[in-house]
Amino acid sequence: NAGVTQTPKFQVLKTGQSMTLQCAQDMNHEYMSWYRQDPGMGLRLIHYSVGAGITDQGEVPNGYNVSRSTTEDFPLRLLSAAPSQTSVYFCASSYSRLRRADTQYFGPGTRLTVL
Amino acid sequence: TQLLEQSPQFLSIQEGENLTVYCNSSSVFSSLQWYRQEPGEGPVLLVTVVTGGEVKKLKRLTFQFGDARKDSSLHITAAQPGDTGLYLCAGLIQGAQKLVFGQGTRLTINP
Repeated sequence: NAGVTQTPKFQVLKTGQSMTLQCAQDMNHEYMSWYRQDPGMGLRLIHYSVGAGITDQGEVPNGYNVSRSTTEDFPLRLLSAAPSQTSVYFCASSYSRLRRADTQYFGPGTRLTVL
Repeated sequence: TQLLEQSPQFLSIQEGENLTVYCNSSSVFSSLQWYRQEPGEGPVLLVTVVTGGEVKKLKRLTFQFGDARKDSSLHITAAQPGDTGLYLCAGLIQGAQKLVFGQGTRLTINP
């Protein structure tokens, strides 16, 4: 198993450009989520999904869109990038809907810079 | 405002010393997790505590969940350079499918 994979690993955008961060998992996990990590802020939840066709907002959803057409993939779209979206983005997955003792598996991250 | 306050944010100590990292909130959590993150990688789960008052040990690391399930601590005994890293606590909000993270503690153990 490859676990959780993310592409690209690094990306530089100009303000106003759009892009999609890819996330895939091969563990047949129902729950997938996107976080951003900024210095001194820990990880903040952007969007999450409890299964194919179901998504919901996290703490900081503005400026980001998601969809979940398959169990394996959970892409994160930036429609019009802003410098405030410069961050490291992590995708994570869990076997089922988050329960008390569930383990979340994180991908290696995408480092995004918006100029 | 951070839902989970983690302290200290930075800690640099000598090899062999003991240390404690704290994670506090005014909210009740269904469970609380501790992760460790290396540079350039995603967080990796160390432990999950689910019962108020629960204590779990992982070699030299001791994790405790507060009786009211609002706070937690991580104690490391006889720290080693290999313990260096970013430690994150995360709480599962009751009734929601959301994990909230503390700011993290960047720990450096000097030989």
